[in-house]
Amino acid sequence: SQQGEEDPQALSIQEGENATMNCSYKTSINNLQWYRQNSGRGLVHLILIRSNEREKHSGRLRVTLDTSKKSSSLLITASRAADTASYFCATDAKRGSTLGRLYFGRGTQLTVWP
Amino acid sequence: NAGVTQTPKFRVLKTGQSMTLLCAQDMNHEYMYWYRQDPGMGLRLIHYSVGEGTTAKGEVPDGYNVSRLKKQNFLLGLESAAPSQTSVYFCASSNREYDNEQFFGPGTRLTVL
Repeated sequence: SQQGEEDPQALSIQEGENATMNCSYKTSINNLQWYRQNSGRGLVHLILIRSNEREKHSGRLRVTLDTSKKSSSLLITASRAADTASYFCATDAKRGSTLGRLYFGRGTQLTVWP
Repeated sequence: NAGVTQTPKFRVLKTGQSMTLLCAQDMNHEYMYWYRQDPGMGLRLIHYSVGEGTTAKGEVPDGYNVSRLKKQNFLLGLESAAPSQTSVYFCASSNREYDNEQFFGPGTRLTVL
């Protein structure tokens, strides 16, 4: 399976703390994407990092990518209660037969307590 | 600009009944996808389409059929519903030129009794 796997499965922190989630994958990729899902809603794209990039920032989000280890991490700084959600990584595989597909992990459930 | 919409939002079926889920997007995206999401399983791809008139199987295609007669619509059909198809179904769309960033609909919660 080319599926990404997030770690940890669940994370519980206090407001103001940083939250770090990790993602590992198996095959060569064009890019890796992080999505957020609030309870009962569809997924929303957060940030994308290409295979030739090592780090990317967007507001309170910081994503790193290590293609040699086939892993990525998502850091949310100064977490807020509103950040409570599930976070998924998804990989855009490089090989021809899988063009057009993203491979999603099972997600990390983040709970931020006020 | 509505993005990706799904119809219906909720549905309850009896075993053996059929139904069609409709997905529509107004972003002129080439690619469209149907996923199912079950507790602890993440998102699993059912079928997808890389253009009008094309469809391809994903990870869990059995028991489902799809059609993409128009670029903006992607239909998911259940011919004979089974309790194992109880799930939340999400449609998504994307364009390769934008790194395949996927835009998701709000989901359809389906219960098969």
